Amino acid sequence: EDQVTQSPEALRLQEGESSSLNCSYTVSGLRGLFWYRQDPGKGPEFLFTLYSAGEEKEKERLKATLTKKESFLHITAPKPEDSATYLCAAQRGYQKVTFGTGTKLQVIP
Amino acid sequence: DAGVIQSPRHEVTEMGQEVTLRCKPISGHNSLFWYRQTMMRGLELLIYFNNNVPIDDSGMPEDRFSAKMPNASFSTLKIQPSEPRDSAVYFCASSSPQAATNEKLFFGSGTQLSVL
Repeated sequence: EDQVTQSPEALRLQEGESSSLNCSYTVSGLRGLFWYRQDPGKGPEFLFTLYSAGEEKEKERLKATLTKKESFLHITAPKPEDSATYLCAAQRGYQKVTFGTGTKLQVIP
Repeated sequence: DAGVIQSPRHEVTEMGQEVTLRCKPISGHNSLFWYRQTMMRGLELLIYFNNNVPIDDSGMPEDRFSAKMPNASFSTLKIQPSEPRDSAVYFCASSSPQAATNEKLFFGSGTQLSVL
């Protein structure tokens, strides 16, 4: 069974304090690894897709990386507006996507 | 573009009642997905449609759940009869023909369902 595990469950950072979120996956034949951001009371919003080990993608203060077993979402010098829940998801072949339960990030001014 | 539109935003009902959730996907998108989100299990795919045809309903919990997509601009998820364990946030999402299957989903704001 496909599994996606995110850690930590919650993370509290001071503004400007860089850190990383982890996503471990057990999916044979990974087709894509996705990162989404979810704000309270809203649906997830797409951030990145990674397709192969070694791939990296960046958007503002966020950088996503992928290995054969894990993905990391690096947050550099975060700001309070980066506070949200970050969801990781993995897709096997062209089958359904399996989501993790997310990391709730709080950035304190 | 208005995005994916779901209604109602909140639904409170009593056990045994029928509940109908509604979704209007983004115009031009040909894939539609229904997800359920809980603290314990996260986001779970219930069913998805491609060109209005159900492709995979293996995530539908049991026969109490049913989904329809009568046309490209409307879908419903029905629970009958509802039970307290159905309480969750239900999301609808759509994706465009240019995106590969399940890639870059656009989510609605969800329906918060509470079954008492």
